[in-house]
Amino acid sequence: GENVEQHPSTLSVQEGDSAVIKCTYSDSASNYFPWYKQELGKGPQLIIDIRSNVGEKKDQRIAVTLNKTAKHFSLHITETQPEDSAVYFCAASIAASGTYKYIFGTGTRLKVLA
Amino acid sequence: DAGVIQSPRHEVTEMGQEVTLRCKPISGHDYLFWYRQTMMRGLELLIYFNNNVPIDDSGMPEDRFSAKMPNASFSTLKIQPSEPRDSAVYFCASSHRSPFNYGYTFGSGTRLTVV
Repeated sequence: GENVEQHPSTLSVQEGDSAVIKCTYSDSASNYFPWYKQELGKGPQLIIDIRSNVGEKKDQRIAVTLNKTAKHFSLHITETQPEDSAVYFCAASIAASGTYKYIFGTGTRLKVLA
Repeated sequence: DAGVIQSPRHEVTEMGQEVTLRCKPISGHDYLFWYRQTMMRGLELLIYFNNNVPIDDSGMPEDRFSAKMPNASFSTLKIQPSEPRDSAVYFCASSHRSPFNYGYTFGSGTRLTVV
């Protein structure tokens, strides 16, 4: 079935360094790829997304890249800060049996060390 | 905008009891989703509604789980009877556009513990 693989599962970086999280997906028809940030005790929050007609999107310190041929996409966080510490989830949209939904990755726990 | 509102925030119940989780989506959002989050299985979609109609319930684990959306501003997820393996955080989310192309807004979740 459809799945989304996410790596790494944990990532520690020094404050000010960059962090990169990678995801691969299996459904070639997927055309929407959101990223969510989940802080402790809270629900996931959409931080950036990209659609299949775009190769890269940037919003201040975060950016997402998409390679449709290879079926992978990545989240890049530059100049990391302690408040970036959280669990990050990627997702890919799928269409199955006439319905539409996401498949989420397994999450990456990012720790930014001061 | 108060966001997606879930209640209760925490629920502890004994095995065999009925549990009802509640959700109020953002006003104007046509789609409502119920997710379950566990360490072992991550974020799992249980069911979603469009305009109050259930569209995909293939993620509902078994007949003990049921969900309703009687109107555009309220949904419930019921577990009867509850079992310890149902312990998880349950999230409700809503969206005003197709989930194939747009993001969701999640609530803060209900942490369910079945003892």
